[in-house]
Amino acid sequence: SAVISQKPSRDICQRGTSLTIQCQVDSQVTMMFWYRQQPGQSLTLIATANQGSEATYESGFVIDKFPISRPNLTFSTLTVSNMSPEDSSIYLCSVFRGTGELFFGEGSRLTVL
Amino acid sequence: EDKVVQSPLSLVVHEGDTVTLNCSYEVTNFRSLLWYKQEKKAPTFLFMLTSSGIEKKSGRLSSILDKKELFSILNITATQTGDSAIYLCAVEGEYGNQFYFGTGTSLTVIP
Repeated sequence: SAVISQKPSRDICQRGTSLTIQCQVDSQVTMMFWYRQQPGQSLTLIATANQGSEATYESGFVIDKFPISRPNLTFSTLTVSNMSPEDSSIYLCSVFRGTGELFFGEGSRLTVL
Repeated sequence: EDKVVQSPLSLVVHEGDTVTLNCSYEVTNFRSLLWYKQEKKAPTFLFMLTSSGIEKKSGRLSSILDKKELFSILNITATQTGDSAIYLCAVEGEYGNQFYFGTGTSLTVIP
């Protein structure tokens, strides 16, 4: 299994501010994924973060709103910019292992007032 | 459009009952189906299924895939209160590493 550490675990933020979520993996991985889970909803993929190139964003998500960094093969950050209450969600970092399993970090619960 | 549908959306049972959770999918070039249990924030991995008709089993949990009818079931026997969680189904599609999640089934086990 993979050990994935995310921080912050939770935060409460004011509207209009930005928050950066960090994800650290215990071993090198090619792809890291960022998911969002809004209240009562399932997981939605925001983007795939590849080391050395720009992240690939899913439909409905844009780089200006969710900039992602991937400086090396064990670390990534997701920033939620200019937040509004609609951004209140759990944000999850995940990695895919060659065994076919998708592992998740502990998640970051964000509340925007 | 690729789609994963889980049923029921929620379920309340008594301890000792057996439950069956369903996951149907319409995904281009299916590669695998995964089941997760989500109690607080992070989903934890339960099973990965790639072949039809082969049951995966772990304790009281078991799962099987039908690639012809495009669905999977997750069975939990002799349920316990600790089984209370949201159970998520995810299907890996065409491009690999692209997972589509269902809306989940919320299971509540009453003592």
